[in-house]
Amino acid sequence: EAGVAQSPRYKIIEKRQSVAFWCNPISGHATLYWYQQILGQGPKLLIQFQNNGVVDDSQLPKDRFSAERLKGVDSTLKIQPAKLEDSAVYLCASSKGLAGAKYQETQYFGPGTRLLVL
Amino acid sequence: GENVEQHPSTLSVQEGDSAVIKCTYSDSASNYFPWYKQELGKRPQLIIDIRSNVGEKKDQRIAVTLNKTAKHFSLHITETQPEDSAVYFCAASPASGGSYIPTFGRGTSLIVHP
Repeated sequence: EAGVAQSPRYKIIEKRQSVAFWCNPISGHATLYWYQQILGQGPKLLIQFQNNGVVDDSQLPKDRFSAERLKGVDSTLKIQPAKLEDSAVYLCASSKGLAGAKYQETQYFGPGTRLLVL
Repeated sequence: GENVEQHPSTLSVQEGDSAVIKCTYSDSASNYFPWYKQELGKRPQLIIDIRSNVGEKKDQRIAVTLNKTAKHFSLHITETQPEDSAVYFCAASPASGGSYIPTFGRGTSLIVHP
C-alpha cells in the first residue's frame, strides 16, 4: 500500500510570510496527526483529526497556525505569519483509528516537510 | 497533560553489546507505549509497542518492558549492529474519547561502533 505523502519536502521563507503544507494519509486511515519536530527533539503533536473532526489541538499555536481536513482525507497545515522559531520538520502521520471494535493506533509517518524561516 | 522523560540522550556501545533506553511518564491513564527509530533525515518508524495489559514484549533482538506502578518503560536491544545506529523515541499515549494522544520523549541517539 502507498505510504503517507507530504509536500513540499523543503520550504524556505522569510519571517512574517505564510506557508502551507499538504498531507495525504494512507487510504482508509481515519486518524491524521500533524507534528512539529525541532532539531534534536522528539515530535510534538500539533493537532489530531479523527475523520474530519479535531480530537486534540491543545498544542497548536492558534494565533498563527491553522489546519483543516476537509472530507476526512487530505489535510493542510498553514502558518501565517511565520516566525524564526517555526523552523522545524513538520511531520504528518496517520493511523487506522477505530476499525470495528478495536482501535488501531499504530502510526505511519510521512517523509516530512523541512521548513526554514529566515 | 502527559510528560515523558527519556534517558540517556546519547548512548555509545560496541557492536555486539546490549543497549537499554529508559522512559518515564506522568499520566497514569496512558496505556499505549510505542518506540520509534529515526535514521538521519528520515521519518520515524515504529519498531515495537506495548500496551498496559502486558509487562514485556519481544521481537527478535528488541524487547520492551513496562512497569505501570512505577510509570516507566524501557527498550532493550541485544547484539547491537552498526545499522542499529539511529535516534530512538519513546511515546506514551492516554486514550481520550476513543482516540490516542501521543507524547514523545526527546530521543536517544544510539551509536554502535563496529
